[in-house]
Amino acid sequence: ETGVTQSPTHLIKTRGQQVTLRCSSQSGHNTVSWYQQALGQGPQFIFQYYREEENGRGNFPPRFSGLQFPNYSSELNVNALELDDSALYLCASSLGAGPATEAFFGQGTRLTVV
Amino acid sequence: KQEVTQIPAALSVPEGENLVLNCSFTDSAIYNLQWFRQDPGKGLTSLLLIQSSQREQTSGRLNASLDKSSGRSTLYIAASQPGDSATYLCAVVSYNTDKLIFGTGTRLQVFP
Repeated sequence: ETGVTQSPTHLIKTRGQQVTLRCSSQSGHNTVSWYQQALGQGPQFIFQYYREEENGRGNFPPRFSGLQFPNYSSELNVNALELDDSALYLCASSLGAGPATEAFFGQGTRLTVV
Repeated sequence: KQEVTQIPAALSVPEGENLVLNCSFTDSAIYNLQWFRQDPGKGLTSLLLIQSSQREQTSGRLNASLDKSSGRSTLYIAASQPGDSATYLCAVVSYNTDKLIFGTGTRLQVFP
């Protein structure tokens, strides 16, 4: 059990809608990263938050945005949903934003866009 | 641009076999390499983390090696069990990205 929890576990949305996914980091961890995993693929980095500031972003459009709160929990927001946004969204927490730190993942949120 | 490849894409073996999963990466300038397990529709469980200065890490029946100069890592699973059935992903953190870059995984099935 990693201690990283994500909610909800499953979600169905209609194209054009907006969605918010939530992540509680492992106790003591101040860094949260979000990944998108399409079926049959490896996870792709979306962005990272360190101490409430965005600290790196992958190749995703601006309609993917996020927040980190003072307790280090985080949200991923996606606007104007597209069918291709259907995927497993994974949150990972770590202690510090350094590249050598170990990442611990939550169980993911399965988003289906219809 | 860092690319991570895992071979084979799928593997089916009888219980009790020792097996090797392969991971290769194109840019040897990495901070570390991490192996994960993923059960169907679930999140990732960290198995082993190898820092760039290390050659291998062991945990129980699992042993991971790293040859940074050749851009390769192997995950060795001894005496495989049906409970080992899952997808195994490797990921590296490169100097030029600072973030995990994943392979597409090896789907392992161990049958009784």
